[in-house]
Amino acid sequence: GNSVTQMEGPVTLSEEAFLTINCTYTATGYPSLFWYVQYPGEGLQLLLKATKADDKGSNKGFEATYRKETTSFHLEKGSVQVSDSAVYFCALRGTGGGNKLTFGTGTQLKVEL
Amino acid sequence: GAVVSQHPSWVICKSGTSVKIECRSLDFQATTMFWYRQFPKQSLMLMATSNEGSKATYEQGVEKDKFLINHASLTLSTLTVTSAHPEDSSFYICSAHTGTSGFPRHTGELFFGEGSRLTVL
Repeated sequence: GNSVTQMEGPVTLSEEAFLTINCTYTATGYPSLFWYVQYPGEGLQLLLKATKADDKGSNKGFEATYRKETTSFHLEKGSVQVSDSAVYFCALRGTGGGNKLTFGTGTQLKVEL
Repeated sequence: GAVVSQHPSWVICKSGTSVKIECRSLDFQATTMFWYRQFPKQSLMLMATSNEGSKATYEQGVEKDKFLINHASLTLSTLTVTSAHPEDSSFYICSAHTGTSGFPRHTGELFFGEGSRLTVL
């Protein structure tokens, strides 16, 4: 079956530091890949997505590239801010139809001044 | 963007009682809603897919008699935890799919509610 593995947190960074949150997946065919963010007290929000190999999703300074050869979709940001503190979830939607998402365990990011 | 709202955001109940959680799509019609359960430091686990006007489709290992799902309208799905026990304590999250038709035309994305934290004493 489908699965998503992402690095455990919490990840603590200083403001303006470079961020990488690793995500790898297992799936048959060509899944779509997503990063969701959950700010404290709020629901999950779609941060970015990529639907085919070599696509790069980007939003709010965050980027992730769909790498089929390494089955990865690592999240990066060049300079984090305190307001980026949240829990980040990597997810995939398989090719079997429907809109079911398989999530990773989530990675908590804390950005300090 | 589309808004999905859950109610209540947190609830405490006694063992043996039933608890209902509502999930509403506030500005779009959702023919499909999904219910997830999130354990501490674990990923979201899909419990069931709720389709308007039909029976929910439960994932393997999820007790349908324990977790009753009703999707009576295009904007409301409810999850009822029946005869709740402490092991049912968890964070329950719903999501709704906007589809790609209708007015205004949506992008076919999933939008998530804020989650409902259930504590069973």
